[in-house]
Amino acid sequence: ETGVTQTPRHLVMGMTNKKSLKCEQHLGHNAMYWYKQSAKKPLELMFVYSLEERVENNSVPSRFSPECPNSSHLFLHLHTLQPEDSALYLCASSHGQGARAYGYTFGSGTRLTVV
Amino acid sequence: KNEVEQSPQNLTAQEGEFITINCSYSVGISALHWLQQHPGGGIVSLFMLSSGKKKHGRLIATINIQEKHSSLHITASHPRDSAVYICAVRSYNTDKLIFGTGTRLQVFP
Repeated sequence: ETGVTQTPRHLVMGMTNKKSLKCEQHLGHNAMYWYKQSAKKPLELMFVYSLEERVENNSVPSRFSPECPNSSHLFLHLHTLQPEDSALYLCASSHGQGARAYGYTFGSGTRLTVV
Repeated sequence: KNEVEQSPQNLTAQEGEFITINCSYSVGISALHWLQQHPGGGIVSLFMLSSGKKKHGRLIATINIQEKHSSLHITASHPRDSAVYICAVRSYNTDKLIFGTGTRLQVFP
């Protein structure tokens, strides 16, 4: 365990379903991130939260909706997804963000399959 | 073309062999990371470098800022080193992390 816990580990959902991914860290970090990892492609940054405020949204479709209720928890709410959204979704956290980030720690990811 | 290129894409080795994975990048950077991703998906940070060389156990990471190149070396490789190794750079201009596509390493006993 890295200190960043993601649930569920695996998720299969239909295109009309609504589900949520959860990420939790108790490392005292104040920045949290969602990444998407598709097969044979580099990790893509989706969202960045710093001190519970969204500071970055990399042109992610509105069917992905993040939520950061406090500095230890991060959610990714999913609805009406497409099959091409099937991927590994990774959460990460750090002290600070951008060039001042350190202690970057990833979770184990949620493997999402959209059918 | 990706701003971070890794080679080789796939690598197989016999236990005990010396391994080198290369990373070249085309942007100005403030730091470079080497990450390890095991089959379960979780990613572990191995090194963060901004110059020179770092060593941790059997792992050595080097960076040449002028040549925009970094290498990750594994000495006396072991089957448990089998994983995907990812190079990532933090862009000096945008502060964003840019990731390579990874090198898949398999070490056979």
